[in-house]
Amino acid sequence: GAGVSQSPSNKVTEKGKDVELRCDPISGHTALYWYRQSLGQGLEFLIYFQGNSAPDKSGLPSDRFSAERTGGSVSTLTIQRTQQEDSAVYLCASSLGGGSEAFFGQGTRLTVV
Amino acid sequence: QQQVKQSPQSLIVQKGGISIINCAYENTAFDYFPWYQQFPGKGPALLIAIRPDVSEKKEGRFTISFNKSAKQFSLHIMDSQPGDSATYFCAERSWVTGGGNKLTFGTGTQLKVEL
Repeated sequence: GAGVSQSPSNKVTEKGKDVELRCDPISGHTALYWYRQSLGQGLEFLIYFQGNSAPDKSGLPSDRFSAERTGGSVSTLTIQRTQQEDSAVYLCASSLGGGSEAFFGQGTRLTVV
Repeated sequence: QQQVKQSPQSLIVQKGGISIINCAYENTAFDYFPWYQQFPGKGPALLIAIRPDVSEKKEGRFTISFNKSAKQFSLHIMDSQPGDSATYFCAERSWVTGGGNKLTFGTGTQLKVEL
C-alpha cells in the first residue's frame, strides 16, 4: 500500500491485559511517530523514531507504554496492564526525514473495558 | 498542557460561505504551522502550512493568515463546500532530540457546511 498502515483498526481489551498495536510506515520513510487522540487530551505526541532508535520518548504517559521499531520499518506500540484511561485512538505517522511532512495512518481505536 | 488554543470548537457554515478558524500559540520556538483536516475514521491529513516569516499563504480555497506579533494564525476556507465538513486542527512544529520534530495540536474545530 502507498500509505501508513495500522493494525488492528479496532481493539477491545479487558482492563489489565497487554495490547500491541502495529504500524507499517510508508516505504523509505526513516522517521516514525506515534500520537494518541483522546476526547480529553486531544492529539498528543508519544514517541519519535529515527531508524530503529527512539531519541525522544518524552510523550509516553507512563512506564506501561513502550515502543520498538525493527528493520527501520515496522513499529509496535505496547501497552501493558491496560487501564480505562488508555482508551483512545492511537495514530502512527511517518516521514522521509525528521523535518519532512508527516503522513498519518487511519489509527487504531483502543477500548479498554 | 495545551500550548495551542483553537476556536471555535464547532462551526456551521452555509455552502458558499467563508469558514474561519483561529489559533493562538505561546511558544515562539515553533517554526512551522500546519493545518490538518480529519474525516471520521481517518487520520489527520496535511491541508496547508505556513512558516512564521510569511504573513499569508493561499492554496486554492484555503488561506492561512499569520500574525507573528499577536502569536495568532487562522485558516480561511473560501466558498465552503459540504465536502469540507470535517474536523480541522491547527498545529505547531517543534524539534525534538535526535533531529525529528513533533506536532503540538490545537483542540480541533468540527466544521459542518450546510446546503
